[in-house]
Amino acid sequence: AQSVTQLDSQVPVFEEAPVELRCNYSSSVSVYLFWYVQYPNQGLQLLLKYLSGSTLVKGINGFEAEFNKSQTSFHLRKPSVHISDTAEYFCAVSEDTGFQKLVFGTGTRLLVSP
Amino acid sequence: DARVTQTPRHKVTEMGQEVTMRCQPILGHNTVFWYRQTMMQGLELLAYFRNRAPLDDSGMPKDRFSAEMPDATLATLKIQPSEPRDSAVYFCASGHGQGAVEQYFGPGTRLTVT
Repeated sequence: AQSVTQLDSQVPVFEEAPVELRCNYSSSVSVYLFWYVQYPNQGLQLLLKYLSGSTLVKGINGFEAEFNKSQTSFHLRKPSVHISDTAEYFCAVSEDTGFQKLVFGTGTRLLVSP
Repeated sequence: DARVTQTPRHKVTEMGQEVTMRCQPILGHNTVFWYRQTMMQGLELLAYFRNRAPLDDSGMPKDRFSAEMPDATLATLKIQPSEPRDSAVYFCASGHGQGAVEQYFGPGTRLTVT
């Protein structure tokens, strides 16, 4: 079975600074990887996904992530954050076998201050 | 703008009462997921359906929870009888295709059981 670890429960950062949210996964088979964002009192919205091909994936709102198979990581980055990026970010993995179930990490709260 | 809709958005009920949550997946999506989100457990998959058939409900407490898809436009999650520990936000998500790789989440139902 697969699992996801998000080591940072909260990441404070100043506006216009770069940010990296870390995600590591564990699986015995090939995986698909996702980052979702959850704004207060809302559902989850897909930021980006890695299915195959280029290991650098670009998503919405200026975010990108890089799939590193050797380190089993899929860290999320943004070169310059805005106040509006304040939200909870979830990394998720599904196995590339038959029907894919998503397994979520515990989430990282990104707090952007002026 | 196709979206997953969920009703009600908020529900407060007393212990022992029946609770029914409804979800309308995006038109054309053949897979529906039910998740529960709590502070302690994070996001947990309760059940999922493909083409209205239940594929896996192993994440659901069987004695009190039930999930159904009476038709392609409606999924329901029922709790009977409800308990305070069921207090959580319940999300529905839908997807399409063989693997439903990308899931689209609804806004959630916030359930409070007193």
